[in-house]
Amino acid sequence: NAGVTQTPKFQVLKTGQSMTLQCAQDMNHEYMSWYRQDPGMGLRLIHYSVGAGITDQGEVPNGYNVSRSTTEDFPLRLLSAAPSQTSVYFCASSYVPIGSGELFFGEGSRLTVL
Amino acid sequence: AQSVTQPDIHITVSEGASLELRCNYSYGATPYLFWYVQSPGQGLQLLLKYFSGDTLVQGIKGFEAEFKRSQSSFNLRKPSVHWSDAAEYFCAVGASGTGFQKLVFGTGTRLLVSP
Repeated sequence: NAGVTQTPKFQVLKTGQSMTLQCAQDMNHEYMSWYRQDPGMGLRLIHYSVGAGITDQGEVPNGYNVSRSTTEDFPLRLLSAAPSQTSVYFCASSYVPIGSGELFFGEGSRLTVL
Repeated sequence: AQSVTQPDIHITVSEGASLELRCNYSYGATPYLFWYVQSPGQGLQLLLKYFSGDTLVQGIKGFEAEFKRSQSSFNLRKPSVHWSDAAEYFCAVGASGTGFQKLVFGTGTRLLVSP
């Protein structure tokens, strides 16, 4: 029972490099979302999706792109990494809108941008 | 816009003692309220949620929370803390005005359990 799987768990980038954080869920959830967690700031919503082909911006979308070609996958792309994007990233999925029910989280991806 | 305040950054409790973690929210309508727990190196797990009805809600692992509209609070409690409860706890509020497409988290309270 995998739930929400994030890869990689750890990544170090240089400023200006690009990368994709992968997120996959096997629960057939329509709703998926990406958060970043920074010390003293809790979790902040980056982007979310309400179904395949439909995405929208969250609280802190700048510097990140997403797409949702399948129900299972919701990758997060950093086009040109900056030190301010050093953070722990969490993907979550749910069967209801993200503010109205339980979110199922992955174990996180720790990203360091030098 | 909704917001969540968790005034305590760290709390230390002796094993076996009772626990109360504070959460205050700001939202004009009746909010959907949640408590999540994050163990070290892990993702978040839902402890309990409040949508409507009985203001005292029970969750997993022996936790409960009470919704007090007059105080805009949703404090988390446990009668007897176990060492395995050491973790970070997040309060969150969902907003109906956004079609529930928004969930705002507090900054978290880290619980330390002393022997």
